[in-house]
Amino acid sequence: DVKVTQSSRYLVKRTGEKVFLECVQDMDHENMFWYRQDPGLGLRLIYFSYDVKMKEKGDIPEGYSVSREKKERFSLILESASTNQTSMYLCASLTSGASTQYFGPGTRLTVL
Amino acid sequence: AQSVTQLDSHVSVSEGTPVLLRCNYSSSYSPSLFWYVQHPNKGLQLLLKYTSAATLVKGINGFEAEFKKSETSFHLTKPSAHMSDAAEYFCVVSDPTTSGTYKYIFGTGTRLKVLA
Repeated sequence: DVKVTQSSRYLVKRTGEKVFLECVQDMDHENMFWYRQDPGLGLRLIYFSYDVKMKEKGDIPEGYSVSREKKERFSLILESASTNQTSMYLCASLTSGASTQYFGPGTRLTVL
Repeated sequence: AQSVTQLDSHVSVSEGTPVLLRCNYSSSYSPSLFWYVQHPNKGLQLLLKYTSAATLVKGINGFEAEFKKSETSFHLTKPSAHMSDAAEYFCVVSDPTTSGTYKYIFGTGTRLKVLA
């Protein structure tokens, strides 16, 4: 079974802090994704990566950056957290040539 | 551009009655479509997917969906609701990227409530 893990289930940070959310997958997938989930809006794509060190912006990249130094790990970075970044963040992975993404359990981030 | 519209934000059914969750999509070519379920405080679980094979797709837990190109719909159904079906359901269309992978476009979700 594919396993996608996220470093924290719940996280509370202060406005202006730098925040790192980590995602690790164990299936050697080339592609990894970061989404945020907000009530009534579904999931929206922040960034994705199709290879090590390669990344593309999704639909809502403002205020976020990402890092992929190793194939199995994809980090989402909030350079200076703001209250409007309070949300559930989900990571997913996908092998090339396939269509099904596998999701982690999510990190619920609260920015005070 | 691809898009997905879930027509109902909330659906309530009685236990043992049929479930219908509606989804319409917009796509410039033959899409891959998915239904995911999210139980409270849980991650997303794949229910079923359509990838241009049979138009009637069977998934887990008795759910199925029918791809209707003429109506651009991919509605999710179940003959008899169970209390454990109470959850949020997302319709998803995959969208190719210039880098050769596929990203997901999510609908806004339908929250299913099952009444005893």
